[in-house]
Amino acid sequence: EDQVTQSPEALRLQEGESSSLNCSYTVSGLRGLFWYRQDPGKGPEFLFTLYSAGEEKEKERLKATLTKKESFLHITAPKPEDSATYLCAAHTGTASKLTFGTGTRLQVTL
Amino acid sequence: EPEVTQTPSHQVTQMGQEVILRCVPISNHLYFYWYRQILGQKVEFLVSFYNNEISEKSEIFDDQFSVERPDGSNFTLKIRSTKLEDSAMYFCASRGRGGTSPLHFGNGTRLTVT
Repeated sequence: EDQVTQSPEALRLQEGESSSLNCSYTVSGLRGLFWYRQDPGKGPEFLFTLYSAGEEKEKERLKATLTKKESFLHITAPKPEDSATYLCAAHTGTASKLTFGTGTRLQVTL
Repeated sequence: EPEVTQTPSHQVTQMGQEVILRCVPISNHLYFYWYRQILGQKVEFLVSFYNNEISEKSEIFDDQFSVERPDGSNFTLKIRSTKLEDSAMYFCASRGRGGTSPLHFGNGTRLTVT
């Protein structure tokens, strides 16, 4: 059974305090690893897709990296508006089924 | 930027009643999905739909569930006889061509079964 695990469950940072979120996966036939941001009461918002080990993608203060077993979302100098739940999801199979982790709830305070 | 829209945003229904959740995917997308998220739990895959047929479904998607694309723009999820445990946020998603193009999600319908 495909499994995606995220840690930590919750993270509280001060503005400017950089950190990393972890996503480890055990799936058969990974076709891509997705990162999404989810605000309360909203749907997941697409951030990145990573396809192969060693790949990196960046967007503003976020950088996602991928190894054969895990992915990291690095947040550099976060701001309060970065507060959200960050979800990772493994894409497997031919129908683009995504297996999600439980997410990391990030709170950035002033 | 094009987006996936879902209606209603909140639906309250009594146990045993039928509900239809509606979605308008992004217009040039070809692949459509329903996911659900029970409060405090993971987002879970329900079903994928392509070329007017189901391409994959999960164990959750039993005979009580059905999907339909009644016209060129709408995509619906029907639950025939709702149970208390169907209470969740239901998300519609769509994606375009390309094997690993990202799924774009709507903001969901919160279904409350009483």
